[in-house]
Amino acid sequence: DQQVKQNSPSLSVQEGRISILNCDYTNSMFDYFLWYKKYPAEGPTFLISISSIKDKNEDGRFTVFLNKSAKHLSLHIVPSQPGDSAVYFCAASPYGGATNKLIFGTGTLLAVQP
Amino acid sequence: DAGVTQSPTHLIKTRGQQVTLRCSPKSGHDTVSWYQQALGQGPQFIFQYYEEEERQRGNFPDRFSGHQFPNYSSELNVNALLLGDSALYLCASSQYNEQFFGPGTRLTVL
Repeated sequence: DQQVKQNSPSLSVQEGRISILNCDYTNSMFDYFLWYKKYPAEGPTFLISISSIKDKNEDGRFTVFLNKSAKHLSLHIVPSQPGDSAVYFCAASPYGGATNKLIFGTGTLLAVQP
Repeated sequence: DAGVTQSPTHLIKTRGQQVTLRCSPKSGHDTVSWYQQALGQGPQFIFQYYEEEERQRGNFPDRFSGHQFPNYSSELNVNALLLGDSALYLCASSQYNEQFFGPGTRLTVL
């Protein structure tokens, strides 16, 4: 039972353009969401998060949008850079905050072409 | 600050054997979680330790056990290894509102 879904295994974007990565979840009790980036041979690195009381959170080139009624969140990267090429994981926290159990999606491989 | 460190980097075992993986948390972090990431999947939560006690557990069999030491470092033990246990095992330490992950241990079961 996949509670967090990333339906696009891969995404290719030109440098300088916008990258949009999508994530859907099934459990309406989830109240905190995170995005992690993972390079090969490294552990996931925290990117940005959003609480369910908000619908948008911005940090530099990264913005996360949350649509609770649709149980959908997205990560926008503008402008995309070749160094952004990595696997991006969406994660949800069922117990509040980011320090407890996280439920991850299967990831989206982003390739930013120079 | 060394961040979260894990050892060994890679490990090869045969079915039925037992394995111990180790994790040192980021300085000042008192909570350690373990995740299993199979090929093509996202990390799956195994369990979390705080103050040397297992605080939360995911849907993994009893063959998976752990320990946390007074210095907050942690071990993950897996008994009676199965082929399906082949995966990247990630350790994460946390404090306040963030989890930091280590680079993982790649376990191959033959």
